[in-house]
Amino acid sequence: LAKTTQPISMDSYEGQEVNITCSHNNIATNDYITWYQQFPSQGPRFIIQGYKTKVTNEVASLFIPADRKSSTLSLPRVSLSDTAVYYCLVVTHAGGTSYGKLTFGQGTILTVHP
Amino acid sequence: EADIYQTPRYLVIGTGKKITLECSQTMGHDKMYWYQQDPGMELHLIHYSYGVNSTEKGDLSSESTVSRIRTEHFPLTLESARPSHTSQYLCASSHPAVEGTDTQYFGPGTRLTVL
Repeated sequence: LAKTTQPISMDSYEGQEVNITCSHNNIATNDYITWYQQFPSQGPRFIIQGYKTKVTNEVASLFIPADRKSSTLSLPRVSLSDTAVYYCLVVTHAGGTSYGKLTFGQGTILTVHP
Repeated sequence: EADIYQTPRYLVIGTGKKITLECSQTMGHDKMYWYQQDPGMELHLIHYSYGVNSTEKGDLSSESTVSRIRTEHFPLTLESARPSHTSQYLCASSHPAVEGTDTQYFGPGTRLTVL
């Protein structure tokens, strides 16, 4: 399993763009990069997944360089409600009875200030 | 939003009691999971099921057991609770991805305290 490294914490202010970078030097060919968000006392929530280049949805963008050894989650114009823990995971494509194993690290604690 | 439910949300019990944590999903997902998470710590997979009558142990050894008699239901049981079982238990489900990997949908969790 590819190990991920991300900052332990980040601070931002309302209305700013936040970029959280994750390193995954040992990513394999069949691996996808996936980000989850978790609020206190709740289960994680899927944010975005990508394989290469750029992926965008209504919540965030994910930038993946050609070598795929790192990725950056971009949250546009954050608000106080974006304060949460953000997890970067490298997940292997799965099929049949196997599953895309999720290995959660400690994540990045994002604190958005007024 | 995913439809996955866990009950109870909070449970405080005494040592030695038998408990069952309920998890249900209405999405028809084949795969279901149980994770354990201590406050401020990482999530650890303790059980996994890829369909009815299939269950497997996860990465973290757990004294709990699970069953999967119906697709939508994946209860977790502790025969004799101990203080070391105090934790948050998160249930999740997923369906096969057309592209990429399965997206896991998590329930709200059950916070268990064993006195």
